[in-house]
Amino acid sequence: QSALAQPASVSGSPGQSITISCTGTSSDVGGYNYVSWYQQHPGKAPKLIIYDVTYRPSGVSDRFSGSKSGNTASLTISGLQAEDEADYYCSSYTSSRTHVFGGGTILTVL
Amino acid sequence: QVQVVESGGGVVQPGRSVRLSCAASGFTFSSFDMHWVRQAPGKGLEWVAVISYDGINKYYADSVKGRITISRDNSKNTLYLQINSLRAEDAAVYYCARDLFSGVVMGYWGQGTLVTVSS
Repeated sequence: QSALAQPASVSGSPGQSITISCTGTSSDVGGYNYVSWYQQHPGKAPKLIIYDVTYRPSGVSDRFSGSKSGNTASLTISGLQAEDEADYYCSSYTSSRTHVFGGGTILTVL
Repeated sequence: QVQVVESGGGVVQPGRSVRLSCAASGFTFSSFDMHWVRQAPGKGLEWVAVISYDGINKYYADSVKGRITISRDNSKNTLYLQINSLRAEDAAVYYCARDLFSGVVMGYWGQGTLVTVSS
């Protein structure tokens, strides 16, 4: 199972919006609405911020939103804040009943 | 509140075995699927394995199949990961995670336990 493809890094200024893409195949991202996104600050455990492509867990800011088109899912963060600076990972359920992560994206808030 | 706490990591010699544990509290452990995810130093997340709420169904990443076994003891609210024939590439922080509710989302994560492979 190959890792999902994410950009290595993205950046944005406070208040701006950024989008992180996550590209897989029809056997994972494209085949199921089971894409999740995780935020990880240095030295901390990952935190779920989006699940089932578009849903936010309770307590997660509505500045975070998710979408999907074909084999590519996307995470958008609007109104960028300094605290959003972190690593972001996508994950998808697969046709083998396993899961696969993306390689991760480092978000820098300028 | 939901809490999962990993333990069992440390320095292990190549070729040896290690068993990691994950103690769960704050929820009905026997009702939820559980995952193991690992992260090598400075690297990204790698999904390792999942076990169904009843311990019957288990699925593994291709990279660990045959050397790693996931198990659970619902009477002890504890999840396990047995890693055999340890290799350098097994060195990582190992996280356990509780499924959110549908079997396909790693919703609640522990702080992880570090496995170092060294002679």
